[in-house]
Amino acid sequence: KQEVTQIPAALSVPEGENLVLNCSFTDSAIYNLQWFRQDPGKGLTSLLLIQSSQREQTSGRLNASLDKSSGRSTLYIAASQPGDSATYLCAARMDSNYQLIWGAGTKLIIKP
Amino acid sequence: DTAVSQTPKYLVTQMGNDKSIKCEQNLGHDTMYWYKQDSKKFLKIMFSYNNKELIINETVPNRFSPKSPDKAHLNLHINSLELGDSAVYFCASSQGLAGGELFFGEGSRLTVL
Repeated sequence: KQEVTQIPAALSVPEGENLVLNCSFTDSAIYNLQWFRQDPGKGLTSLLLIQSSQREQTSGRLNASLDKSSGRSTLYIAASQPGDSATYLCAARMDSNYQLIWGAGTKLIIKP
Repeated sequence: DTAVSQTPKYLVTQMGNDKSIKCEQNLGHDTMYWYKQDSKKFLKIMFSYNNKELIINETVPNRFSPKSPDKAHLNLHINSLELGDSAVYFCASSQGLAGGELFFGEGSRLTVL
């Protein structure tokens, strides 16, 4: 059974720092993996989608990597800003039935 | 122009009542979903529809009944509301089950008193 884990559950860093959020999965037979952010009281916003054949995707200051063999994806945020404060979730879509398995999220706080 | 829109955004009601949440997407997607996010912020799939057909029906009480009149709409009707139904309900859509990007609505916060 696929399990998706995000550690740490919460992270607080000063503004301007580069940081990495982690997402690990137990079953490497994934179709793709998607990163989202959720602001308090809001819906989820898609950040990056990585297909299983890809190693990384970039959008602005965000870079997501995928290593299926080690069961790991990372979300790299460069030059963090207070506006990056949110909960970041990853979700792995299974190859077998296309079901999406969610991590519990990492709550990120960027201190001005 | 909102891609995935849900109404109402807030819903406060008494136990035992019946309520509906509506969802519409203008992205041309053929797959739509309902998710429940509880107080601990954990996201759980409830239903998935592809081309108006039910694909995923997780272990959700049969008091919850989704209805998809067309590909662009997926409504959620809840009968005999219980306290434990209080949560935020999210609608989402994607192009195909396999997966394109998932796009979410802003959520509908249901409070059952």
